[in-house]
Amino acid sequence: DSGVTQTPKHLITATGQRVTLRCSPRSGDLSVYWYQQSLDQGLQFLIQYYNGEERAKGNILERFSAQQFPDLHSELNLSSLELGDSALYFCASSASWTGDIQYFGAGTRLSVL
Amino acid sequence: GENVEQHPSTLSVQEGDSAVIKCTYSDSASNYFPWYKQELGKRPQLIIDIRSNMDKRQGQRVTVLLNKTVKHLSLQIAATQPGDSAVYFCAENMRDDYKLSFGAGTTVTVRA
Repeated sequence: DSGVTQTPKHLITATGQRVTLRCSPRSGDLSVYWYQQSLDQGLQFLIQYYNGEERAKGNILERFSAQQFPDLHSELNLSSLELGDSALYFCASSASWTGDIQYFGAGTRLSVL
Repeated sequence: GENVEQHPSTLSVQEGDSAVIKCTYSDSASNYFPWYKQELGKRPQLIIDIRSNMDKRQGQRVTVLLNKTVKHLSLQIAATQPGDSAVYFCAENMRDDYKLSFGAGTTVTVRA
């Protein structure tokens, strides 16, 4: 167990809908990273938050947004869902803001039907 | 830091033999290189990492080598066991870039 908690584990929804994925980092970690893993794209970095502030952005779609709350948990919001958004979404956390030594949560498997 | 090439994409080894996975990165500013193991349906697990001020690091049955001159990285898994069967990813992190860029992964199968 990495200490990073993600909920829900599975999510099935329809095209056009909006969903929220939740992540609680390891105790003491201030950074949260979101990744998307699909069969054809591998592990792709989406966005990073450090202590409540956005620090880095990857190839995150405009339909996707995230935030980190004062208690350091983070939420990834996916809207206007398309079939191609079906993927595993991982959250990782680290103590620093530099991007190293990241521990991953178990992921949320999103299926858009 | 966007291009990390990893090969082979699949690797089948006999139990007890060694497995070697190689990566090439493009940016000389990269300074941190973790390796992750991901079993089917599970989370990526950090198994070993190396920083740019080192050229070799050893763990339990795993060794990572870093050649900064040619921007090559390799992972060796010694005395492989069936439990080593998984997808392995190399990654790089550039100083001041705050993110990890991953290779495409190597599916390792250990034959009993």
